[in-house]
Amino acid sequence: KAGVTQTPRYLIKTRGQQVTLSCSPISGHRSVSWYQQTPGQGLQFLFEYFSETQRNKGNFPGRFSGRQFSNSRSEMNVSTLELGDSALYLCASSLIPESTDTQYFGPGTRLTVL
Amino acid sequence: GQNIDQPTEMTATEGAIVQINCTYQTSGFNGLFWYQQHAGEAPTFLSYNVLDGLEEKGRFSSFLSRSKGYSYLLLKELQMKDSASYLCAVRSWGKLQFGAGTQVVVTP
Repeated sequence: KAGVTQTPRYLIKTRGQQVTLSCSPISGHRSVSWYQQTPGQGLQFLFEYFSETQRNKGNFPGRFSGRQFSNSRSEMNVSTLELGDSALYLCASSLIPESTDTQYFGPGTRLTVL
Repeated sequence: GQNIDQPTEMTATEGAIVQINCTYQTSGFNGLFWYQQHAGEAPTFLSYNVLDGLEEKGRFSSFLSRSKGYSYLLLKELQMKDSASYLCAVRSWGKLQFGAGTQVVVTP
């Protein structure tokens, strides 16, 4: 069974631009979560989607948004990019968003904002 | 909010045992996970604890005490490939919150 896939793997943007990242969960997984990882802040939770609905949201500004499609694939969008948005963006999928369910991570998208 | 604390770095020799501690303060606790992350790679799942006690999985074991807000990951018979960052993560109110990670360096 294929793992979580994320595209693109690397991205370079300039301040003020916007970016869209894509995540395809493991087949059969219906819950998708997004995280931002930076050396200074570690792994921080962005949001979680299940059945095309956002279930939880972390403490990020409204410039960060996401959505989930009927096939469970998910996208996240960052508008008006800032230098501090440079990070590894990780997507994780699980069968259902239950507390006991393990999340499996994709390889991430490395975003660099110049 | 919640605090998740773990040591920044630990060094051990090949074949030895290392114990990585994690303490947390949270409400609505729904489980604790340990992940391994090699440099430049995604985190991979190691273990999950929701009840008090020890869970053993090969060379890796994880312990949880909910009353003390404490967990540890025990790595036995260390191998060079175990050099990585180990992340403690607590699930509460539906969200998975991560500690900063413990960098384990295995020396020959």
